[in-house]
Amino acid sequence: EAGVAQSPRYKIIEKRQSVAFWCNPISGHATLYWYQQILGQGPKLLIQFQNNGVVDDSQLPKDRFSAERLKGVDSTLKIQPAKLEDSAVYLCASRQITGYQYFGPGTRLTVT
Amino acid sequence: GDSVTQMEGPVTLSEEAFLTINCTYTATGYPSLFWYVQYPGEGLQLLLKATKADDKGSNKGFEATYRKETTSFHLEKGSVQVSDSAVYFCALSVIQGAQKLVFGQGTRLTINP
Repeated sequence: EAGVAQSPRYKIIEKRQSVAFWCNPISGHATLYWYQQILGQGPKLLIQFQNNGVVDDSQLPKDRFSAERLKGVDSTLKIQPAKLEDSAVYLCASRQITGYQYFGPGTRLTVT
Repeated sequence: GDSVTQMEGPVTLSEEAFLTINCTYTATGYPSLFWYVQYPGEGLQLLLKATKADDKGSNKGFEATYRKETTSFHLEKGSVQVSDSAVYFCALSVIQGAQKLVFGQGTRLTINP
């Protein structure tokens, strides 16, 4: 069974630029999550989707972050404009209706 | 709010040493508890879990017991190997259906041969 795929694995941008991350969950997993993991901290949930609907985006900085999952499968997370404090690893996870979360390898973002 | 506190790292041990990584939590309701592991260059992997008080989760020689009276879920292994070097995260979920995870800050473990 293929795992959660993410791309790119690494991205370096300057502040005020925009960036997008892509996630392909495990086939059949209805729930998809995006987490932000700042160096030295645990992952923090940004947004949770159930199929193509948002379940929880209470910790998403909506003035600069956006996410979509249009067909209930792949998802993209966008940051526009980026700030220095957005430097982190962005993790995507998915799970079935029941069961546990499976995580992708993450995208390491560096904002200079 | 819900939170998880782990012992600060990094932790460095010699091979075959006994390992304990402390984890305590604060939660409303009755959370499920998890340990995740992150090997270098890889994503988070579920190591073990416990869903109710006194449950013991175990996997790959690691164990953790859900202690409601002390709100703890300490990770233990009797004899660590170099291959156990990784970052370990304790986490909880209080929403069973949605499984919203709250993570601790992580503990980096290095095992020397």
